[in-house]
Amino acid sequence: QKEVEQNSGPLSVPEGAIASLNCTYSDRVSQSFFWYRQYSGKSPELIMSIYSNGDKEDGRFTAQLNKASQYVSLLIRDSQPSDSATYLCAVKGIRAGTASKLTFGTGTRLQVTL
Amino acid sequence: DTGVSQDPRHKITKRGQNVTFRCDPISEHNRLYWYRQTLGQGPEFLTYFQNEAQLEKSRLLSNRFSAERPKGSFSTLEIQRTEQGDSAMYLCASSYTGLGKGDTQYFGPGTRLTVL
Repeated sequence: QKEVEQNSGPLSVPEGAIASLNCTYSDRVSQSFFWYRQYSGKSPELIMSIYSNGDKEDGRFTAQLNKASQYVSLLIRDSQPSDSATYLCAVKGIRAGTASKLTFGTGTRLQVTL
Repeated sequence: DTGVSQDPRHKITKRGQNVTFRCDPISEHNRLYWYRQTLGQGPEFLTYFQNEAQLEKSRLLSNRFSAERPKGSFSTLEIQRTEQGDSAMYLCASSYTGLGKGDTQYFGPGTRLTVL
């Protein structure tokens, strides 16, 4: 079982729709969760972090965390063509050897169509 | 507040050559991380420093790889006797672990290495 799992996609949504990106993680004691956006050929850019169960909103982005289900998601409202990118889910744990590094999923490629 | 910078942005080398990459973190960030990313994969952790101390190294970091952060500021990552399998994007990130800060990691633009 991979430590952080994401559907590789592509996830295709029409412009203006809500894009829903999902991520599951295997280490139950993971504490910090991050979403990064990565355009082709570029480096990851932080979108949001979330540490507590529930929702966290920032503009068009909402991160949702459910630690009991070991599930974190990212919703993008009013999707724009400029949102077309790969979205990486990253997890930071508390165990020795995981407390500082980020463990990434393989990313979900999002395509926003006109 | 300038971001993380990396140099060079691209490096093409022949198998067996040594290469060195540099990373300058965000000023006042006390942690610096190196990751490697291959096509279709997420970044994989290589090593990290807190100030000048190298606190963790991944098993991915073979003895051909060495990293330094001599004065707790910039860092270098050297790969000796490069192999074609070393071709990847090498990413540097930095973070600050002070009170009230979430140790959020910010990435530099990366160095793309191609080994011929």
